[in-house]
Amino acid sequence: AQTVTQSQPEMSVQEAETVTLSCTYDTSESDYYLFWYKQPPSRQMILVIRQEAYKQQNATENRFSVNFQKAAKSFSLKISDSQLGDAAMYFCAYTGNTGKLIFGQGTTLQVKP
Amino acid sequence: GAVVSQHPSRVICKSGTSVKIECRSLDFQATTMFWYRQFPKQSLMLMATSNEGSKATYEQGVEKDKFLINHASLTLSTLTVTSAHPEDSSFYICSASSGLEGETQYFGPGTRLLVL
Repeated sequence: AQTVTQSQPEMSVQEAETVTLSCTYDTSESDYYLFWYKQPPSRQMILVIRQEAYKQQNATENRFSVNFQKAAKSFSLKISDSQLGDAAMYFCAYTGNTGKLIFGQGTTLQVKP
Repeated sequence: GAVVSQHPSRVICKSGTSVKIECRSLDFQATTMFWYRQFPKQSLMLMATSNEGSKATYEQGVEKDKFLINHASLTLSTLTVTSAHPEDSSFYICSASSGLEGETQYFGPGTRLLVL
């Protein structure tokens, strides 16, 4: 069975600085997709970034980028120029041939002014 | 991204009553919808997967007679919590996707259920 692990329950970053959130996963599938979702205090789940496993190039979305290491089964999220609005719980997620999303435990990010 | 709505956003009910939660995809056809439950400061727990026009598939440990799911159209899925009890109090979230492999799931804003 596939698993997703986020080993950092809480992280903090100074406004305008850079922070990296860690995520590792385990799977025997060759085709799969990885996601980072953000859940602010409103609890609305918001897609941050998406990565197809078959693509070697790391996905980027403005200030958000990933470091996808397929062999190491690692999928970290880097947030550059952190803003107060980035404060949220971040979930790493995996989907394979079942179509179901498997979530990590989540990392709560605090942004300090 | 695609927009998914959920109604109601918050509901308080008495123990023993039933509550229906609606999930709508507003700007795309959702072949597949998912229902999750989330406890405070925890991850999302998948309850069931529903495909338009067919019966929902429930995850292990989820009572299908208690959590009735209907996916009658490509834009609407409903979750009915039957004979609700205080332990059913939780945050329920739906998501929708086109059903294609690897397709992104878009989430509704969630429904906070409190059973007294």
